[in-house]
Amino acid sequence: AQSVTQLDSQVPVFEEAPVELRCNYSSSVSVYLFWYVQYPNQGLQLLLKYLSGSTLVKGINGFEAEFNKSQTSFHLRKPSVHISDTAEYVCAVSARSGNTPLVFGKGTRLSVIA
Amino acid sequence: EAEVAQSPRYKITEKSQAVAFWCDPISGHATLYWYRQILGQGPELLVQFQDESVVDDSQLPKDRFSAERLKGVDSTLKIQPAELGDSAMYLCASSPERLNTDTQYFGPGTRLTVL
Repeated sequence: AQSVTQLDSQVPVFEEAPVELRCNYSSSVSVYLFWYVQYPNQGLQLLLKYLSGSTLVKGINGFEAEFNKSQTSFHLRKPSVHISDTAEYVCAVSARSGNTPLVFGKGTRLSVIA
Repeated sequence: EAEVAQSPRYKITEKSQAVAFWCDPISGHATLYWYRQILGQGPELLVQFQDESVVDDSQLPKDRFSAERLKGVDSTLKIQPAELGDSAMYLCASSPERLNTDTQYFGPGTRLTVL
């Protein structure tokens, strides 16, 4: 079985500052990794996903994430945040084999302060 | 851009009543998911459909929850009777196939409050 840990439930950051949202996972098998964003009153939207290849994955809205197998991490980063980035960010993992469900973390609330 | 539709967006009910949620996935998406998201938690899968068939309902509390996707298109999730602990956001998602690499497209959710 897979599990996801997002240690930070809330991250406040000033506008134009960099941000890193942490995600660690646990799995006995190889995995795919995802970051979703949820804006108020909207459904989850895919930001980016790691399937294979380069460990640095670029997504929408200037976000990127790096897969680190040895540290079992998939941290999300953005060099300069905007007010519009205020949202809930949820990390998820699925096993590479079999029809195993997507397992989500608890989410991190990013609040960008003007 | 095609979206997953859900209704109602909000539902308030009293415990022991029956409630039903509806989901219309993106046209052509074979796989449909229902998730429950309790406040402060990540979404948890309740049931997964491939076309009209259930492929995973291991986490669905079958004594009170039921789900159907009769024609392999839209889907209904029902709770009867509702309990206080059922208060949560119910999310529907769809994807083109059953692949673990697939992006899931989420609807806006139905927020259920049980009094």
